[in-house]
Amino acid sequence: SQQGEEDPQALSIQEGENATMNCSYKTSINNLQWYRQNSGRGLVHLILIRSNEREKHSGRLRVTLDTSKKSSSLLITASRAADTASYFCATAPGGFQKLVFGTGTRLLVSP
Amino acid sequence: NAGVTQTPKFQVLKTGQSMTLQCAQDMNHNSMYWYRQDPGMGLRLIYYSASEGTTDKGEVPNGYNVSRLNKREFSLRLESAAPSQTSVYFCASSEQANSGNTIYFGEGSWLTVV
Repeated sequence: SQQGEEDPQALSIQEGENATMNCSYKTSINNLQWYRQNSGRGLVHLILIRSNEREKHSGRLRVTLDTSKKSSSLLITASRAADTASYFCATAPGGFQKLVFGTGTRLLVSP
Repeated sequence: NAGVTQTPKFQVLKTGQSMTLQCAQDMNHNSMYWYRQDPGMGLRLIYYSASEGTTDKGEVPNGYNVSRLNKREFSLRLESAAPSQTSVYFCASSEQANSGNTIYFGEGSWLTVV
């Protein structure tokens, strides 16, 4: 079974709008990572948040982590058509050697 | 800087045939991984190598074998391909095998077993 589950499975918005996707996980973690995958390509690392952090920013990305609820959210502000991709959270239950990815959120940003 | 390179990009196999997916990284990373990606299933870890000379099973190792040939190269072998192994395969690497490290992915290998 998957450690991380993203919600929603798919999200369709207009350029300029904000996009929020959520990740829930099952066991305690040290870190949580978010990755992006363009269609037909490999995954690319976006941001890492540690278990002792509640919020982290990187450009137009804002990630939050609530360890009490075992959940994280990724916010993309002022979305662009180029943000169209699938977004995955990844955690390492029991240690990093088995980093586990969620099923992903497919984001479509229309011009 | 090529990063993680995997070959072939596309392959069609007949049931029962064997093949090896090749992967090389030029970032001097210690850890390497093979994942498969199927619709609605996310990425699932097949095998990983935390360091040169070691390999370990991931979530879905059945039907696969791996070889960490040296620090740069990590191959995945299908001994007797089955239609259930139709998938997109990703090789990846990281500096160390701990949760604080970024994983770098190759571009994927599309495998169809008929």
